[in-house]
Amino acid sequence: GAVVSQHPSRVICKSGTSVKIECRSLDFQATTMFWYRQFPKKSLMLMATSNEGSKATYEQGVEKDKFLINHASLTLSTLTVTSAHPEDSSFYICSSAEGGETQYFGPGTRLLVL
Amino acid sequence: GQNIDQPTEMTATEGAIVQINCTYQTSGFNGLFWYQQHAGEAPTFLSYNVLDGLEEKGRFSSFLSRSKGYSYLLLKELQMKDSASYLCAVRDISGYALNFGKGTSLLVTP
Repeated sequence: GAVVSQHPSRVICKSGTSVKIECRSLDFQATTMFWYRQFPKKSLMLMATSNEGSKATYEQGVEKDKFLINHASLTLSTLTVTSAHPEDSSFYICSSAEGGETQYFGPGTRLLVL
Repeated sequence: GQNIDQPTEMTATEGAIVQINCTYQTSGFNGLFWYQQHAGEAPTFLSYNVLDGLEEKGRFSSFLSRSKGYSYLLLKELQMKDSASYLCAVRDISGYALNFGKGTSLLVTP
């Protein structure tokens, strides 16, 4: 399967700061990437679809000004959590789909906001 | 929208067979996926069904009936390392994004 990396794997920050998470597709060019969030013992919730060269498509209830997504190249999408608060603490996972078929997930980023 | 249901928890014995069911309702179906997720890790891909029938891949098999909105994941010769959460996800025709069920936590006991 495809290889997707994420960085950082874990981040702890103070309330009010911004955190950037990178998602890279290592072995194919991904025109579309996806960002999910997962709270403890809950399933994955799609946050947004990241499209290379255009604006991201956000799911209902996800604030686009708080979760900034940039997909500047075919191998990199970034998610920036702006002015993070403790309730934003979660497991953030990206995925990419080669040819629009199977999605492969990155290893995830665990965010803790103090 | 989509409604995806799967059991919350299951327990099975090492060496046995277990079947995890998933039912879904969707306005436009474009494939069903099964993922395995160990605690604290990202999901890993197990199987993909878009046509009716059984897909076999080693110890794991997945079945789909589109008319019934039903799928199952069959795990044979269970091993302790199979203890994990199993996620059923449906893709609709509007795009490539997946909608996940809440997952089934499987515990394999000796």
